[in-house]
Amino acid sequence: EDKVVQSPLSLVVHEGDTVTLNCSYEVTNFRSLLWYKQEKKAPTFLFMLTSSGIEKKSGRLSSILDKKELFSILNITATQTGDSAIYLCAVETYSGGGADGLTFGKGTHLIIQP
Amino acid sequence: GAVVSQHPSWVICKSGTSVKIECRSLDFQATTMFWYRQFPKQSLMLMATSNEGSKATYEQGVEKDKFLINHASLTLSTLTVTSAHPEDSSFYICSATEQGLRFGPGTRLLVL
Repeated sequence: EDKVVQSPLSLVVHEGDTVTLNCSYEVTNFRSLLWYKQEKKAPTFLFMLTSSGIEKKSGRLSSILDKKELFSILNITATQTGDSAIYLCAVETYSGGGADGLTFGKGTHLIIQP
Repeated sequence: GAVVSQHPSWVICKSGTSVKIECRSLDFQATTMFWYRQFPKQSLMLMATSNEGSKATYEQGVEKDKFLINHASLTLSTLTVTSAHPEDSSFYICSATEQGLRFGPGTRLLVL
């Protein structure tokens, strides 16, 4: 059974701090790993990672994938209260006939205090 | 680009009625769309994979006669919750793949 584990489950930090969110996975037929941010509505896409060691950056957010050790991290520097959200990690697998959906982690609930 | 829309955003209905939720890919074609369900404070649970022109593939434990899926075109999939009951109240989200999975805004269903 495919498995995605995120840690920590919950994190409270002060504005300006840097946070690192972790995602480890055990799946068959890995295709990609994706990070999403979910506030009150549906998740919004952050990053898609397919290759090891290549950092993806978007403003204060960055992410990297290690396909040998089967994990990814999401870094947020100089955090702001607007970064408060649930961060979801998901792994996409394929069955040969095309993508067959995602397995999600339980998410990390990040709270940034002013 | 790569926008997925859902309609309606919110629906409140009486127990026993059926509710249809639409999912559209606005600027790309999607042969496959996914339907998820999310309960409060929980992660997304895949319900089914909707395939254009063929039958949907349901996840274990999801009743196909209860959650009817139709994917009649490359830009539209519909999920119908038949004879809805209060336990079907949830947040339903669809998605399609375009350079990574893109989610619709979700539909919040409340069954009274």
